[in-house]
Amino acid sequence: DAGITQSPRHKVTETGTPVTLRCHQTENHRYMYWYRQDPGHGLRLIHYSYGVKDTDKGEVSDGYSVSRSKTEDFLLTLESATSSQTSVYFCATGGEGVGYEQYFGPGTRLTVT
Amino acid sequence: GQNIDQPTEMTATEGAIVQINCTYQTSGFNGLFWYQQHAGEAPTFLSYNVLDGLEEKGRFSSFLSRSKGYSYLLLKELQMKDSASYLCAVAARSAGKSTFGDGTTLTVKP
Repeated sequence: DAGITQSPRHKVTETGTPVTLRCHQTENHRYMYWYRQDPGHGLRLIHYSYGVKDTDKGEVSDGYSVSRSKTEDFLLTLESATSSQTSVYFCATGGEGVGYEQYFGPGTRLTVT
Repeated sequence: GQNIDQPTEMTATEGAIVQINCTYQTSGFNGLFWYQQHAGEAPTFLSYNVLDGLEEKGRFSSFLSRSKGYSYLLLKELQMKDSASYLCAVAARSAGKSTFGDGTTLTVKP
């Protein structure tokens, strides 16, 4: 258990508003990831971080930005939420153990109305 | 890029054995993961294969053939609690990234 928390756990917001989701880890893992999970699409990588202030885009990064100012925190921001961003968002971390297995937070269910 | 295929749904009977297949096409490979995800919960790590062959871990085993781009997860002595989605994920060579398949939803019936 990697000690990963996400906040908020549930959020309903209106189209056009900015939203920030927070991921906090206590395991000092180097790598952190944001995914979205939608029915029929599995987990899709939005952005990831390979160290403090080092981030890069994943496969579905449009409309999202991230920041990592401390090892333990990774923020995901929806700059102007749209209904297509209604989803479950998972944060994950990975150390540098065998195969870089990932440990997931409990998820945030976001609804954009 | 990565292309990962696994069946969408499977059904099996309590006490039986089930095999969940995963095929992949990849431009870079650093191993293959299996994760379990119960409904409404986060995925949890089950297994990792980087070399060809079978890895056994209790009731669960995972197999990899790199030349065929093929893996399977074998679940023995199925229990009701094994009803979940099983995600196959291919590890890339950089930054610990993985690309996930869409998952196989397994339903175990009495």
